Amino acid sequence: AQTVTQSQPEMSVQEAETVTLSCTYDTSESDYYLFWYKQPPSRQMILVIRQEAYKQQNATENRFSVNFQKAAKSFSLKISDSQLGDAAMYFCASALVNTDKLIFGTGTRLQVFP
Amino acid sequence: KAGVTQTPRYLIKTRGQQVTLSCSPISGHRSVSWYQQTPGQGLQFLFEYFSETQRNKGNFPGRFSGRQFSNSRSEMNVSTLELGDSALYLCASSLVGTGSTGELFFGEGSRLTVL
Repeated sequence: AQTVTQSQPEMSVQEAETVTLSCTYDTSESDYYLFWYKQPPSRQMILVIRQEAYKQQNATENRFSVNFQKAAKSFSLKISDSQLGDAAMYFCASALVNTDKLIFGTGTRLQVFP
Repeated sequence: KAGVTQTPRYLIKTRGQQVTLSCSPISGHRSVSWYQQTPGQGLQFLFEYFSETQRNKGNFPGRFSGRQFSNSRSEMNVSTLELGDSALYLCASSLVGTGSTGELFFGEGSRLTVL
């Protein structure tokens, strides 16, 4: 069975600073995807970044990057140059290939202070 | 391109009633999945449909059911509502199964309150 664990219920960061959100997962599969989703107060979830397990290179999307440690089953999200609009719930999730069955972590609420 | 549309956005029901929620995926997306979000249990997977076939089902009682139509629109039904069914129900669509790597696009959700 797949599990995803987010150990930080809340995090805060000052505008323009960098923050790292932690995520660990467990799966017996060799081929899977990992995701970070953002859910702002308006509730619509949007994909922040995606990592294919077979790729060794860490994914990056502008100010967002991940540190994917496959052996340690760790998948952290780094947000650089934090902006007020980054304030949201962030969910780490995993999925097997060719399925939309996401297993979500419990989420981390990120606050951004001016 | 229109996003994922869920209706109704808000609804209030009483225990014992049933409810049907609707989801229209992004045009061209053939995969639709449903999630329940509650403060206590977080985000939990309900079902996944692709081309009118249920491909995966989460660990929910039989009171929760769903279906997908030929135009990829999907509905989920909850019968004999219980207080614990109060939740935000999220629908998502994707191109999974059509050769893509699978990114879910979520709707804004249907907020169900059971009294």
